Amino acid sequence: EPEVTQTPSHQVTQMGQEVILRCVPISNHLYFYWYRQILGQKVEFLVSFYNNEISEKSEIFDDQFSVERPDGSNFTLKIRSTKLEDSAMYFCASSGNPTGEKETQYFGPGTRLLVL
Amino acid sequence: GNSVTQMEGPVTLSEEAFLTINCTYTATGYPSLFWYVQYPGEGLQLLLKATKADDKGSNKGFEATYRKETTSFHLEKGSVQVSDSAVYFCALSKTAGNKLTFGGGTRVLVKP
Repeated sequence: EPEVTQTPSHQVTQMGQEVILRCVPISNHLYFYWYRQILGQKVEFLVSFYNNEISEKSEIFDDQFSVERPDGSNFTLKIRSTKLEDSAMYFCASSGNPTGEKETQYFGPGTRLLVL
Repeated sequence: GNSVTQMEGPVTLSEEAFLTINCTYTATGYPSLFWYVQYPGEGLQLLLKATKADDKGSNKGFEATYRKETTSFHLEKGSVQVSDSAVYFCALSKTAGNKLTFGGGTRVLVKP
């Protein structure tokens, strides 16, 4: 069964450093998303991406964040200058099978980011 | 804006007990409703969904019915197992391609 994959599973970085989180969505999906979950808190939406552009972003997704689909398979989240409060689990998701069910979002296993 | 409220946990049960997790939502129109489950150390997995009023979603013995009149989507299971220990998230989406709005999650612990 197709699945969303994410790398790395864990990332430790120093405050102020740039990080890139990588995702490979399900291959024929049309919509891509990033969410984050700060430890013990709810899952929060960051950004959605469709047709090679951002379709919606939350207030969390400020200028230090960016997303890119550099080729036909990868979907990346870049944090330019990490802050302590960026420490969280980051989930990638995809949805929108063009020939089937379009509603359900399928999640990757997450990348745990720790900013020191 | 849209919001989802679910009962706080943790919920601790004995094996074979009945489980209910309450979920209510605020949204305009007719959103699609979802329950996701997060097992320890893993990502989010879709448990079940319902896309219109009075639909019942079911999977692995879990059920939830989309109640428009009470704006609710309560999750139930008649006889839980230790393997059902996880965090359960209720969520809604306005339409395909839109963000999911999650509730706060409910941790369930099933003891043998």
